[in-house]
Amino acid sequence: RKEVEQDPGPFNVPEGATVAFNCTYSNSASQSFFWYRQDCRKEPKLLMSVYSSGNEDGRFTAQLNRASQYISLLIRDSKLSDSATYLCVVNMDSSASKIIFGSGTRLSIRP
Amino acid sequence: ETGVTQTPRHLVMGMTNKKSLKCEQHLGHNAMYWYKQSAKKPLELMFVYNFKEQTENNSVPSRFSPECPNSSHLFLHLHTLQPEDSALYLCASSQGRNDEQFFGPGTRLTVL
Repeated sequence: RKEVEQDPGPFNVPEGATVAFNCTYSNSASQSFFWYRQDCRKEPKLLMSVYSSGNEDGRFTAQLNRASQYISLLIRDSKLSDSATYLCVVNMDSSASKIIFGSGTRLSIRP
Repeated sequence: ETGVTQTPRHLVMGMTNKKSLKCEQHLGHNAMYWYKQSAKKPLELMFVYNFKEQTENNSVPSRFSPECPNSSHLFLHLHTLQPEDSALYLCASSQGRNDEQFFGPGTRLTVL
């Protein structure tokens, strides 16, 4: 089993749709979790941290399920500009020595 | 200048060359990182520095040699690379080791 696993997609959805991605992780002792987005040939940019209580930032909602060892990202009212690859990042210990990036989920929003 | 900067943005080198990649962060962060991103593969963490001390070397070949003279600057010295080392090399920084990371634009390296 991969340490961090994401559905590679691509997810191709119409503008205005709601889309959700999951990311599973193997180490139950993992410490911190993040979602990043990466546009083609650009660097990853932090989208949001994922907190145990769940968190929301505008159209984006992130949740953590420790029991089932996954995090999720929900995008509501999707925009064309949301088209990107979404990377799940898990820090598996407190020393940052075990930061694992998922391979990413590609999202394409069509008009 | 703000954020994380990297130079050069593009680099082509032969297998016998020696070159260095530079990263600078203007965020007052304490931790800095080097990552490698190859085509169709996830980002791979190479090195971690915290308060200028190297805390992690993820089994990276010795032809890659990091240097962190202070908390704001990070270098990656390259020597006798192989064509399979061609990739995007990304630098990142964070306030603490468990905090969110901010990435530079990367250096796209091609080894001939």
